Amino acid sequence: KAGVTQTPRYLIKTRGQQVTLSCSPISGHRSVSWYQQTPGQGLQFLFEYFSETQRNKGNFPGRFSGRQFSNSRSEMNVSTLELGDSALYLCASSVGQGTARGNTEAFFGQGTRLTVV
Amino acid sequence: AQSVTQLGSHVSVSEGALVLLRCNYSSSVPPYLFWYVQYPNQGLQLLLKYTTGATLVKGINGFEAEFKKSETSFHLTKPSAHMSDAAEYFCAVSFPIYNQGGKLIFGQGTELSVKP
Repeated sequence: KAGVTQTPRYLIKTRGQQVTLSCSPISGHRSVSWYQQTPGQGLQFLFEYFSETQRNKGNFPGRFSGRQFSNSRSEMNVSTLELGDSALYLCASSVGQGTARGNTEAFFGQGTRLTVV
Repeated sequence: AQSVTQLGSHVSVSEGALVLLRCNYSSSVPPYLFWYVQYPNQGLQLLLKYTTGATLVKGINGFEAEFKKSETSFHLTKPSAHMSDAAEYFCAVSFPIYNQGGKLIFGQGTELSVKP
């Protein structure tokens, strides 16, 4: 069974540009979550999608957005990039439950390393 | 507010020695608890989790952790360190609250070094 696939693995963008990152979850998984990892702030939750609906959102500005498609694949978008957006962006998928009780295992992809110059 | 604290950003042990990585949480409701490991330039891999039941949880690669509600702790241990254990370890919590289960709150991480 294929794992969580994130593309691209590495990305370099210029300040002010926008970027779209992609995540393909494990087959059969309906929940996809996104996290930002930086040396200073650690791992921070961005948002979670379940069955194409955003179910939970972290404390990030509106420049960060996402969506989920009917096949559970997810994309996140960052507009008007800032230097501080340089980070490893991790996607995690889980089987997901209708009421999200939180006891299912989240499987992480290898991440997309975004560098903003 | 819910939070996770990992004591010690860097821990160094000798090969064969006991590994102890500390994690404490703050929560108004009983959480689910996880330990993840991250190798350089990789994603996170689940080592073990506590949801309900037995408070001593065994995971992969010889790791185990014990949930102590009275101490709000979930420390990770391994009796004998191996060179391949060198990595960064993250403690995380999630909550059995409607629609909050998909959100993990992570500690700051502990980098484990293993000396030969």
